Amino acid sequence: SQTIHQWPATLVQPVGSPLSLECTVEGTSNPNLYWYRQAAGRGLQLLFYSVGIGQISSEVPQNLSASRPQDRQFILSSKKLLLSDSGFYLCAWSVRWPGAWFRSETQYFGPGTRLLVL
Amino acid sequence: TQLLEQSPQFLSIQEGENLTVYCNSSSVFSSLQWYRQEPGEGPVLLVTVVTGGEVKKLKRLTFQFGDARKDSSLHITAAQPGDTGLYLCAGVHLPSGTYKYIFGTGTRLKVLA
Repeated sequence: SQTIHQWPATLVQPVGSPLSLECTVEGTSNPNLYWYRQAAGRGLQLLFYSVGIGQISSEVPQNLSASRPQDRQFILSSKKLLLSDSGFYLCAWSVRWPGAWFRSETQYFGPGTRLLVL
Repeated sequence: TQLLEQSPQFLSIQEGENLTVYCNSSSVFSSLQWYRQEPGEGPVLLVTVVTGGEVKKLKRLTFQFGDARKDSSLHITAAQPGDTGLYLCAGVHLPSGTYKYIFGTGTRLKVLA
């Protein structure tokens, strides 16, 4: 079975400090990977998605960046955190199907990382 | 512009009551998913609807995908305190690009015992 891990679970960081959140997936190969941010009690905002190693698409201009150094590893980073970066960060994966046609597949979410920037 | 609008945003009801949550868009989606999220946890999938007009049932939950695949609804019969949570709809909006899931604004449900 597939599992998705995120760490840390909770993080408190000062403004201006760097950030590194990690997400790993087990039990599947070549997944699509996603980073979302969620404001308290609200919907999810897509930040980045990746369809393969080294392939990152950014959705929202910001001081965050993402990398995919390995097939099942997705990292969210920042060189200097802002107060507005506080939130609940969720990593997700979905099956990637070969060929040009996209098939509707479910996204599976990790447990999330709560980030508080002070 | 929010592609998926959910209503209501907040709902507080008594145990045993029925309720319906709506997920609406002016765009066509290839599929829609419904998730429930507990505080401090990631969303958990409830159902995926793919065909226009499709109706799926999951115990006391009934999900419907609109004929034109622009909207969906979630109906809960005889709500229980365990149904409390944040309900999110999400869909793949192909004109926005493949592999991109658009999430709704969320409906926070509280069922009182």
